[in-house]
Amino acid sequence: EPEVTQTPSHQVTQMGQEVILRCVPISNHLYFYWYRQILGQKVEFLVSFYNNEISEKSEIFDDQFSVERPDGSNFTLKIRSTKLEDSAMYFCASSALGDTQYFGPGTRLTVL
Amino acid sequence: SQQGEEDPQALSIQEGENATMNCSYKTSINNLQWYRQNSGRGLVHLILIRSNEREKHSGRLRVTLDTSKKSSSLLITASRAADTASYFCATDRGTSYGKLTFGQGTILTVHP
Repeated sequence: EPEVTQTPSHQVTQMGQEVILRCVPISNHLYFYWYRQILGQKVEFLVSFYNNEISEKSEIFDDQFSVERPDGSNFTLKIRSTKLEDSAMYFCASSALGDTQYFGPGTRLTVL
Repeated sequence: SQQGEEDPQALSIQEGENATMNCSYKTSINNLQWYRQNSGRGLVHLILIRSNEREKHSGRLRVTLDTSKKSSSLLITASRAADTASYFCATDRGTSYGKLTFGQGTILTVHP
């Protein structure tokens, strides 16, 4: 069964460094998303991406964040200058029609 | 309370018993989805129910939706120890490309 994959599973970085989280959505899906979950808290929406552009972003998704679909299969989330409060589990999700979303296993980001 | 609030926050039952989790929300929705998350892992999609549906079944899962009360319930029948996980409802308001708003979740523990 097709699934969303994410790499790396765990990323440790120093505050102020740039990180790129990678996702491979399910191949025929058209809608892509990033969410994050700070330990012990709700899953929060970050951004949705459709037709090669951002369709919606949350207040969390400020200028430090960017997304890209560089090659038709990967979908990346870049955080330009990480802060301690960016430490969280980051989930990528994809959807064929913009309804049912399939999530990847997540990348645990730890900012020191 | 915020969009997508589950209760109870924690539920502990014996194998073979039924587990019922409830979700309430504030605004009108396009659909509501239930997800399962095993500790520290990704989100597994369980079932989607649309705003014009009242009940859906999938295996041992039964989901109901009452749009007049802005609430949904997830029933797991004949529970198993492997059902131990956190369960989240997530609402799609239909105003954007599938952005989901998650609740805090119910932690279900099924004792063998």
